[in-house]
Amino acid sequence: SAVISQKPSRDICQRGTSLTIQCQVDSQVTMMFWYRQQPGQSLTLIATANQGSEATYESGFVIDKFPISRPNLTFSTLTVSNMSPEDSSIYLCSVSTSTYEQYFGPGTRLTVT
Amino acid sequence: EDQVTQSPEALRLQEGESSSLNCSYTVSGLRGLFWYRQDPGKGPEFLFTLYSAGEEKEKERLKATLTKKESFLHITAPKPEDSATYLCAAAGNTPLVFGKGTRLSVIA
Repeated sequence: SAVISQKPSRDICQRGTSLTIQCQVDSQVTMMFWYRQQPGQSLTLIATANQGSEATYESGFVIDKFPISRPNLTFSTLTVSNMSPEDSSIYLCSVSTSTYEQYFGPGTRLTVT
Repeated sequence: EDQVTQSPEALRLQEGESSSLNCSYTVSGLRGLFWYRQDPGKGPEFLFTLYSAGEEKEKERLKATLTKKESFLHITAPKPEDSATYLCAAAGNTPLVFGKGTRLSVIA
């Protein structure tokens, strides 16, 4: 399994601002994913980020709100843009092996005031 | 639409009291059924992958089983350190779908 780190671990942000979350993996991986976990809710996939191609967004999530970069096989960023209190959540990145298993980072806890 | 439903939402056990968590799934073209453990403030920790009905996996006090419609996570003689939220997820023709989890509390 891969070791995954995320920065920041938590942040409190003002409404209307943007936050960029970083995800670093200790080995090269093809597929990286970004999830949102709202309080008391399940994990919801935001997008799949593959190196060398545009991210693929799930229904209800758009690039203007959640732009993603994937500059190489060990790093990705997710930006939460023009934030509102509804964006308060835990944001998680994960990586996938070839057997569909996913391994998760520790998460970023975002509070928007 | 692919769905994963977990029950119960919360479970409180005495130390040593064995029980099972349920995960019902409706997924087209199941490619794998996954169990994760999530501690408060942390990301999910991978536990098991099950690929076909009848398959079983074990790790310490945990045993996961799979049928064509359900998966069970059996916890034998649990200890307080087993307290966590246990998440079930299914991979099919669509991206990984997660259940809401079962919050397990084991009381000494």
